[in-house]
Amino acid sequence: NAGVTQTPKFRILKIGQSMTLQCTQDMNHNYMYWYRQDPGMGLKLIYYSVGAGITDKGEVPNGYNVSRSTTEDFPLRLELAAPSQTSVYFCASSLQGDYGYTFGSGTRLTVV
Amino acid sequence: EDKVVQSPLSLVVHEGDTVTLNCSYEVTNFRSLLWYKQEKKAPTFLFMLTSSGIEKKSGRLSSILDKKELFSILNITATQTGDSAVYLCAVAETSGSRLTFGEGTQLTVNP
Repeated sequence: NAGVTQTPKFRILKIGQSMTLQCTQDMNHNYMYWYRQDPGMGLKLIYYSVGAGITDKGEVPNGYNVSRSTTEDFPLRLELAAPSQTSVYFCASSLQGDYGYTFGSGTRLTVV
Repeated sequence: EDKVVQSPLSLVVHEGDTVTLNCSYEVTNFRSLLWYKQEKKAPTFLFMLTSSGIEKKSGRLSSILDKKELFSILNITATQTGDSAVYLCAVAETSGSRLTFGEGTQLTVNP
């Protein structure tokens, strides 16, 4: 059982470039989330989804977009990368909103 | 807006010490409070608390929730160097759709 798989693990982007962080889960969880974690800080919610076709903004959505066309996949898109988006990004999924949270291994993104 | 505040932000102790980590919260419709341990990678689940006064225990770790005073504590007894990590507290509303995390407590246990 793979759980939550994030790719890539590391990426360096130049200012203004775009990229998509991939997230896939194989647990048939309805809930999926994207968090970012800056050094020495907790996790800030970027976007979340309670099911296929439904997405909602979290605390820090600016500069990001998401889609949820299937239960398994929840990609995060950065359109115009900025240095402020340098962070570690975690995808997570859950059976219900609090119980059974499973995190991916994270993507370390640096924007230069 | 939901708010979770953890204290202290960092703590350095010696092996064998007992530590208490604090988490206070403000949430409109409380559902649960969760503790996670994070060691340079993804957070791992420790406890989920929903009822006041009922202690959850796992080995040397224990946690309790006070819904009247809106806080929780995480206790670690006889600390070991392997306990060094960031400990995160998170709360969920009754909608249960998402978690709000605190900033974490960085615990360092020195031999």
